[in-house]
Amino acid sequence: NAGVTQTPKFQVLKTGQSMTLQCAQDMNHEYMSWYRQDPGMGLRLIHYSVGAGITDQGEVPNGYNVSRSTTEDFPLRLLSAAPSQTSVYFCASSGRGSKYEQYFGPGTRLTVT
Amino acid sequence: GQQLNQSPQSMFIQEGEDVSMNCTSSSIFNTWLWYKQDPGEGPVLLIALYKAGELTSNGRLTAQFGITRKDSFLNISASIPSDVGIYFCAGQPFTGAGSYQLTFGKGTKLSVIP
Repeated sequence: NAGVTQTPKFQVLKTGQSMTLQCAQDMNHEYMSWYRQDPGMGLRLIHYSVGAGITDQGEVPNGYNVSRSTTEDFPLRLLSAAPSQTSVYFCASSGRGSKYEQYFGPGTRLTVT
Repeated sequence: GQQLNQSPQSMFIQEGEDVSMNCTSSSIFNTWLWYKQDPGEGPVLLIALYKAGELTSNGRLTAQFGITRKDSFLNISASIPSDVGIYFCAGQPFTGAGSYQLTFGKGTKLSVIP
């Protein structure tokens, strides 16, 4: 199993550009989440999904969209990038029997200039 | 939202020493988890705790779910250089609605001096 994979590893955007961060898991997990990590702020939840076709907002959802068309994939879209979205983004997944025990991907480091 | 206070923020210890860190909240949590993050990597789950008073070990790591359900502790015995990293606590607040969301502390950065 590859676990949770994220692409790209690094990305630089200009203000106003849009892009999609990819996340995939091969563990047949129902639950998937997106977090952002900023220095001194810990991990903050952006959006999450409890199954295909079901998504909900987390603590900091503004400026981001998600969809969950399959169990495996949970892409995060930045609609119009802003410097405040410079951060490291982590995708995580967990299974129904242990939904709080989240497995994290390696992260995407995004810089918006 | 729920807040988790994690302390200390950072610590420098000598190799072989024991380490203690903790996480506290003003509200009750149903679940506590401890993660470790190495530089440039995603967090890795170390220990999960589900019952008040529960004490669980994973090798040299031991974590406890506080009996008040408002705190948790992580101890590392006989530290080694590969223990270096950032340790995060995370909790699932008691909402009564079966929420999936976790709240994370801001982390304890551990440095081990050989």
